[in-house]
Amino acid sequence: QVQLVQSGPEVQNPGASVRVSCKTSGYTVLPYKITWLRQAPGQGLEWMGWISGDNSQTEYTQKLQGRVSMTTDTSTRTVYMELTSLRFEDSAVYFCATETLVRGAPYYYYALDVWGQGTAVTVSS
Amino acid sequence: DIQMTQSPSSLSASVGDSVTITCRANQIIRSHLNWYQQKPGKAPDLLIFGASNLHTGVPPRFRGSGSGANFTLTIRNLQPADFATYYCQQTSTFPRTFGQGTKLDMK
Repeated sequence: QVQLVQSGPEVQNPGASVRVSCKTSGYTVLPYKITWLRQAPGQGLEWMGWISGDNSQTEYTQKLQGRVSMTTDTSTRTVYMELTSLRFEDSAVYFCATETLVRGAPYYYYALDVWGQGTAVTVSS
Repeated sequence: DIQMTQSPSSLSASVGDSVTITCRANQIIRSHLNWYQQKPGKAPDLLIFGASNLHTGVPPRFRGSGSGANFTLTIRNLQPADFATYYCQQTSTFPRTFGQGTKLDMK
């Protein structure tokens, strides 16, 4: 079955960078849109951006512009999210998920239907 | 950015009860509204997409309705596995945005 498996927990100092990976499996072709989200402790879900499976398109939230980048390694079917200049408030669980066009009634709709298990990133001095 | 407002932020109920959670957008999003269920320490699970379409494997006790800017999630005959946090999400435009969540716990 289709799966997204993320890399392990990270602890980084303020000002450092972190790279989280999301390996896809079970897909015959890479999902078109892979989305990254994060969830600070006790808080809700924050959408960070998405990248196409062929690495040709990205879109990031304005809030993180200049600090976030997403890439796809098509040979290993792995997607990466890098966040630079880390701040204490970047401490969160980071999720990857596929945004799929799902057939509904009466139209098709986008939805996050497959999720990675989450990666805890702690920013601490 | 489209703002999504959920209410209530928390809710207590018993097994067998019915509950309703509302989600309001500050712009028209037609039916581009999804609901997710999240349990502690886990990734969210898709419940309903397109405002009223049940995702594969979701029991029909869950019902989504609404269009435009006002939406509801109703859960009938609550089961122990239903006690969780629920989020709405709009997919009308980028950036995608979520409601702040509704925590449903056992009375």
